[in-house]
Amino acid sequence: EVQLVESGGGLIQPGGSLRLSCVASGFTVSSSTYMTWVRQAPGKGLEWVSVVYSGGSTYYADSVRGRFTISRDNSKNTLYLQMNSMRAEDTAVYYCARGGGIAASVDPWGQGTLVTVSS
Amino acid sequence: EIVLTQSPDFQSVTPKEKVTITCRASQSIGSSLHWYQQKPDQSPKLLIKYASQSFSGVPSRFSGSGSGTDFTLTINSLEAEDAATYYCHQSSSYPITFGQGTRLEIK
Repeated sequence: EVQLVESGGGLIQPGGSLRLSCVASGFTVSSSTYMTWVRQAPGKGLEWVSVVYSGGSTYYADSVRGRFTISRDNSKNTLYLQMNSMRAEDTAVYYCARGGGIAASVDPWGQGTLVTVSS
Repeated sequence: EIVLTQSPDFQSVTPKEKVTITCRASQSIGSSLHWYQQKPDQSPKLLIKYASQSFSGVPSRFSGSGSGTDFTLTINSLEAEDAATYYCHQSSSYPITFGQGTRLEIK
């Protein structure tokens, strides 16, 4: 079964850092053309955050560029999102997913991990 | 940035009705438009990819059409389990964007 499981969410103070992890099973992260992070603020819609290509190229939403870093560890079949200088507006459920790049749909999605930025 | 505008924002419908949700892009995106269903407290699920291609395992009552700037998701003979929020998503250019969502309530 193709599956993604996120972890690492929690409560963090403004200005703090957090790293999210996403373990893939049933497929290999390294062979996927794109792996992506999408977030959803409480009661709001979906917002694309970042994508990493199989070749290593990365793209970011303007709202997180310079603060967030997407990466993957092929040996662990895991996708990461390093989040620094966090703000209240980063509060959201963060989903990892396969796809999410140019000319690509998104499937499957993980179950999501909640990140709350608050003092 | 390509803005996707869905209509309506909310619709209350009865079972067996036919539902149409539209998604308009602020510039042409060809067929790089995908549709998702998200039920409460669940992650989104892919329904339709590339405007009109049904995704594996999705009931045949869901269909999509359109190209360029105007797209439609149609649900024929609505069922109670279709209560959810539906999102369109463009993958034509960065930043990737989603529509604001259309919430369907089943009467």
